[in-house]
Amino acid sequence: ETGVTQSPTHLIKTRGQQVTLRCSSQSGHNTVSWYQQALGQGPQFIFQYYREEENGRGNFPPRFSGLQFPNYSSELNVNALELDDSALYLCASSLRRIMNTEAFFGQGTRLTVV
Amino acid sequence: AQRVTQPEKLLSVFKGAPVELKCNYSYSGSPELFWYVQYSRQRLQLLLRHISRESIKGFTADLNKGETSFHLKKPFAQEEDSAMYYCALSGLTTSGTYKYIFGTGTRLKVLA
Repeated sequence: ETGVTQSPTHLIKTRGQQVTLRCSSQSGHNTVSWYQQALGQGPQFIFQYYREEENGRGNFPPRFSGLQFPNYSSELNVNALELDDSALYLCASSLRRIMNTEAFFGQGTRLTVV
Repeated sequence: AQRVTQPEKLLSVFKGAPVELKCNYSYSGSPELFWYVQYSRQRLQLLLRHISRESIKGFTADLNKGETSFHLKKPFAQEEDSAMYYCALSGLTTSGTYKYIFGTGTRLKVLA
């Protein structure tokens, strides 16, 4: 059984660019959630995908978008990057879409926007 | 407003002393409450959830709906408990989707 893996681990982008972050779910998990964690803050929920459909969204603008693939891996896309988008981006997978089942987190992708 | 509040950024206790990490929440409806922990150089992981009423590594947490609190407690702290602790909730929105809210975290330091 493999855990949740995210790629890349670190990334530097310029303001205005676009970025794609990737997440491979734990084997057998059909739900993926993405979070943004700024320095000194708790994770902030971006959105969740269940069986390839968005199943919940936090207070993030439409330039944050995502995809979930048939193998349940996922992407987070951010367009028109802003300096405030600099953060650790976490992916978490779980077996069902309700969160009273355990969510397993990846190690995160550290995005720096300059 | 919907939020999870952890009033202490840092909590230092001596080994063997009791620990209480505070968590208060504000959410319309009936959320599920969780505690997550992040040890040094490790990824975020679930510690416990209120629905399971379990004790993990000696920690317990009781959901008090009247006070909207979900404090994490342990009677005797150990050095290996030193970590970052996050209180979190999940809830169903009026549109039938899910929302997750994390607190800002409390760093627990257990001193020898």
